Amino acid sequence: NAGVTQTPKFRVLKTGQSMTLLCAQDMNHEYMYWYRQDPGMGLRLIHYSVGEGTTAKGEVPDGYNVSRLKKQNFLLGLESAAPSQTSVYFCASSYSTPTGGRETQYFGPGTRLLVL
Amino acid sequence: KQEVTQIPAALSVPEGENLVLNCSFTDSAIYNLQWFRQDPGKGLTSLLLIQSSQREQTSGRLNASLDKSSGRSTLYIAASQPGDSATYLCAVRPNFNKFYFGSGTKLNVKP
Repeated sequence: NAGVTQTPKFRVLKTGQSMTLLCAQDMNHEYMYWYRQDPGMGLRLIHYSVGEGTTAKGEVPDGYNVSRLKKQNFLLGLESAAPSQTSVYFCASSYSTPTGGRETQYFGPGTRLLVL
Repeated sequence: KQEVTQIPAALSVPEGENLVLNCSFTDSAIYNLQWFRQDPGKGLTSLLLIQSSQREQTSGRLNASLDKSSGRSTLYIAASQPGDSATYLCAVRPNFNKFYFGSGTKLNVKP
């Protein structure tokens, strides 16, 4: 199993450009998450999905859109990038059951995004 | 909104020392609490998960405790090794869909 993979690993954008980050998981997890990690602020939830075709907002959703057309993929889009979106983006996935320890989150390696 | 705090932000200890990392949270209504390890430039790896009904979990040299009433969790690392050097993050799950992370404790274990 590859676990959770993210594409690309690193990207530089100019202000106003758009891009899509791809997250893929091969563990048949129902839940998927997008986080951003900034120095001194921990991880903050951007958007999440509890199943194919469903998405919901997290703590910091502004400026981002997401789609979950297939269970194994979760896409994060930036329509018009801003310097404030410079960050490291992590995708994670988990099972939905609330007990038994199966709800552990599994993380991808991250995407480093620099917006100039 | 749940606030998660980890103190200290950084810690440097000599090899072999036992150490404790702290995590505090503001709302005691949680499903579970999870401790993660993050190596530089890498994603997060789950270390221990404590359900809200549990008081502690152990894995090898690691022991995590949970006191919901006081909003605290500790991660105890016994006989620390240089390979333990990493950033340790705790995350609480107040409802089924969301996790709230602390900003982490950066640990350096000196040989």
